[in-house]
Amino acid sequence: GEDVEQSLFLSVREGDSSVINCTYTDSSSTYLYWYKQEPGAGLQLLTYIFSNMDMKQDQRLTVLLNKKDKHLSLRIADTQTGDSAIYFCAERVPGNQFYFGTGTSLTVIP
Amino acid sequence: DTGVSQDPRHKITKRGQNVTFRCDPISEHNRLYWYRQTLGQGPEFLTYFQNEAQLEKSRLLSDRFSAERPKGSFSTLEIQRTEQGDSAMYLCASSIDRVEQFFGPGTRLTVL
Repeated sequence: GEDVEQSLFLSVREGDSSVINCTYTDSSSTYLYWYKQEPGAGLQLLTYIFSNMDMKQDQRLTVLLNKKDKHLSLRIADTQTGDSAIYFCAERVPGNQFYFGTGTSLTVIP
Repeated sequence: DTGVSQDPRHKITKRGQNVTFRCDPISEHNRLYWYRQTLGQGPEFLTYFQNEAQLEKSRLLSDRFSAERPKGSFSTLEIQRTEQGDSAMYLCASSIDRVEQFFGPGTRLTVL
């Protein structure tokens, strides 16, 4: 449950959609999460999905989960400059431990 | 109560010194977590409390690290005989259920 991988960087133009991808290895994950971290700040929980769901939508955010491929994605619609940050995916495994990816740095170009 | 608070926000110490960090969780959150985050990495789980009981400890937590939550409210993380490799951001999070964690702003430790 410790291998959670993300691409390091993503750049998009303001108003476009952003898609941030994550892969994990632990098939016993119960919940999967997306967090946002702005410079000098702690992690902010954006959204999460239970492992028996395949999609969750929350305003501009859409989470897709492919449990077979152990692939999680976060789509941000109408990306704004305020969305520039580092995005972490995380999994919760039995035993109540959480494992985080290395983070994807999203840059939104005005 | 506006969220998880951590103190101090920054700590600079010399190698070999002991340091102690404090975390105050959101009121009534019975679960508390400590993580370590180094530059360019995601948070790494260190330890977890449910009320005052320390239920999980990562193998990353060497003998020089100790955490307590004596009354099931605030928690302290102590690092003895600090080493340069201990330089990192130490994050605390709390939750009332097993699903959502809320993070504090972190304590940035620099060991010279």
